[in-house]
Amino acid sequence: AQSVTQPDARVTVSEGASLQLRCKYSYSATPYLFWYVQYPRQGLQLLLKYYSGDPVVQGVNGFEAEFSKSNSSFHLRKASVHWSDSAVYFCAVSIRTGNTRKLIFGLGTTLQVQP
Amino acid sequence: AQTIHQWPVAEIKAVGSPLSLGCTIKGKSSPNLYWYWQATGGTLQQLFYSITVGQVESVVQLNLSASRPKDDQFILSTEKLLLSHSGFYLCAWSHLRGNYAEQFFGPGTRLTVL
Repeated sequence: AQSVTQPDARVTVSEGASLQLRCKYSYSATPYLFWYVQYPRQGLQLLLKYYSGDPVVQGVNGFEAEFSKSNSSFHLRKASVHWSDSAVYFCAVSIRTGNTRKLIFGLGTTLQVQP
Repeated sequence: AQTIHQWPVAEIKAVGSPLSLGCTIKGKSSPNLYWYWQATGGTLQQLFYSITVGQVESVVQLNLSASRPKDDQFILSTEKLLLSHSGFYLCAWSHLRGNYAEQFFGPGTRLTVL
């Protein structure tokens, strides 16, 4: 069955430190992968997406993610975090279902950036 | 540019009362539309999707229904709320055709059922 696993429910880092949020997916076909961010009491914003090609994709606000087919992973990275990056981050895979596509989300990782 | 609005921003309702939540997309014709439910502190669960006016497919059964009366409007409703309906409801849209798979989300409606 298709699924997305984010093994870390909560990550705490200091401002200026580097960051990696982990994501593993399970999907037999070619995956379309996404990272979304949710700030408190708001909707989801798309950070970045992977469809094909270069396995490292760049997103907004200095975020990037690397796709690994062999590891079935799509980890999110940032070289230097800012306090405003504190939020919940969701990894998602798009799967084909009937005549449309469906997003399967992980449980999310809460990022807390300490000053 | 496309914009997506949801109303109301928040609702506090009694168990057993009716509910209607709305979503409007401007600047995009014939989008795919989606309703999601998010429990407090939880992940997102897709409830419904629609690829055209008048057609809605149910993904999970939560004693809710959805309708698409106009190309740019998606309505979520129930005649009788349950405590378990509390949470955050998000509307999203995506391109109808092609391989565009990303979905764009609205600001959400927070529902509290007492």
